Amino acid sequence: GQQLNQSPQSMFIQEGEDVSMNCTSSSIFNTWLWYKQDPGEGPVLLIALYKAGELTSNGRLTAQFGITRKDSFLNISASIPSDVGIYFCAGVQDDYKLSFGAGTTVTVRA
Amino acid sequence: KAGVTQTPRYLIKTRGQQVTLSCSPISGHRSVSWYQQTPGQGLQFLFEYFSETQRNKGNFPGRFSGRQFSNSRSEMNVSTLELGDSALYLCASSPTTALYGYTFGSGTRLTVV
Repeated sequence: GQQLNQSPQSMFIQEGEDVSMNCTSSSIFNTWLWYKQDPGEGPVLLIALYKAGELTSNGRLTAQFGITRKDSFLNISASIPSDVGIYFCAGVQDDYKLSFGAGTTVTVRA
Repeated sequence: KAGVTQTPRYLIKTRGQQVTLSCSPISGHRSVSWYQQTPGQGLQFLFEYFSETQRNKGNFPGRFSGRQFSNSRSEMNVSTLELGDSALYLCASSPTTALYGYTFGSGTRLTVV
């Protein structure tokens, strides 16, 4: 089952808004990753975080590796329509597998 | 460079049959992993291969198996298919380990009827 608690489960965005989502766990992870998945496609890596406290940006995306190594958050600034999709956090404990959160579904508010 | 290629994209099988899915990793990537994605369980790790050796396996029954060839291409096999095996099966590759993230393919959508 899922080791990572990702929230919110879903959100509605309006173009231009800043949005944020986070992932928490009772376990320590060595790497935190954020992926985005569009319908009918595989997840695409957005940001990778390797050190506790690390803050990393990729365009309008900013993510942080929590100090305790048990959490991470992702911010999207000035959202645009193509930001819709499902965002997943993933943690790496050993070298071989990713543990995924349940995902945050981002939808455009009508 | 070419991404991770999975074939076929869609597959419909009958209960009790077996199925083989194929994955070609990014050139130079030696680690290949497989994940099952369903609405109820999300993304679940199946197994990971490196240099033709299975290094780690998830909590799936023995009906799920895989292998990796010397050119790093990988296949996974599901025998005696059940309705609950209907899912998107994703293959992912990395140069060596999961620590720097995996690149995923577009997946094979398996429907068991």
